[in-house]
Amino acid sequence: DVKVTQSSRYLVKRTGEKVFLECVQDMDHENMFWYRQDPGLGLRLIYFSYDVKMKEKGDIPEGYSVSREKKERFSLILESASTNQTSMYLCASSPYRQGWGAEAFFGQGTRLTVV
Amino acid sequence: QKEVEQDPGPLSVPEGAIVSLNCTYSNSAFQYFMWYRQYSRKGPELLMYTYSSGNKEDGRFTAQVDKSSKYISLFIRDSQPSDSATYLCAMSGANDYKLSFGAGTTVTVRA
Repeated sequence: DVKVTQSSRYLVKRTGEKVFLECVQDMDHENMFWYRQDPGLGLRLIYFSYDVKMKEKGDIPEGYSVSREKKERFSLILESASTNQTSMYLCASSPYRQGWGAEAFFGQGTRLTVV
Repeated sequence: QKEVEQDPGPLSVPEGAIVSLNCTYSNSAFQYFMWYRQYSRKGPELLMYTYSSGNKEDGRFTAQVDKSSKYISLFIRDSQPSDSATYLCAMSGANDYKLSFGAGTTVTVRA
């Protein structure tokens, strides 16, 4: 079974803190993604990485950065957390193939609350 | 207008009923169509994956794609309380890295 593991299920952080969300996948997938999920808005892509040290902005990158130093690990960084970043954060991975985005496998999610 | 439209429901059906879910989309370049199931406070899990138009069946689940109408459907036969979840449609073009998701439909199957 593909395993995508996110380091925390629940996090509470203060406004202005620097926050790190970690994700590890064990299937040697090339592509990794960070999404946020909010009620009524569906999943929105924050950042994407198609290789080690490579990254591309998604639809809502503002206020976030990412790091991919090793193939299996993809980190999301909130530079200065704000209350509007309270959300469910989902990491996903997928193998390289035509269509790229097909068959994305998700982690269990991190529920982040910024107070 | 959103790229992918999905009625959020909620949808409540009795056990054993057929659940019918659908999404419409506007981007004619989409060729890969997926359905994910998401239980409360969990990450989405891939249920069905189809390429281009046609039907695909997997046990009690049937996915249909009508590209001419830009319309996809998921049917769940003989629904069970364990099918209670949010169902998300997702799609992408042949060379996209990005999946476009619907907002999700919340389904409750009553015992």
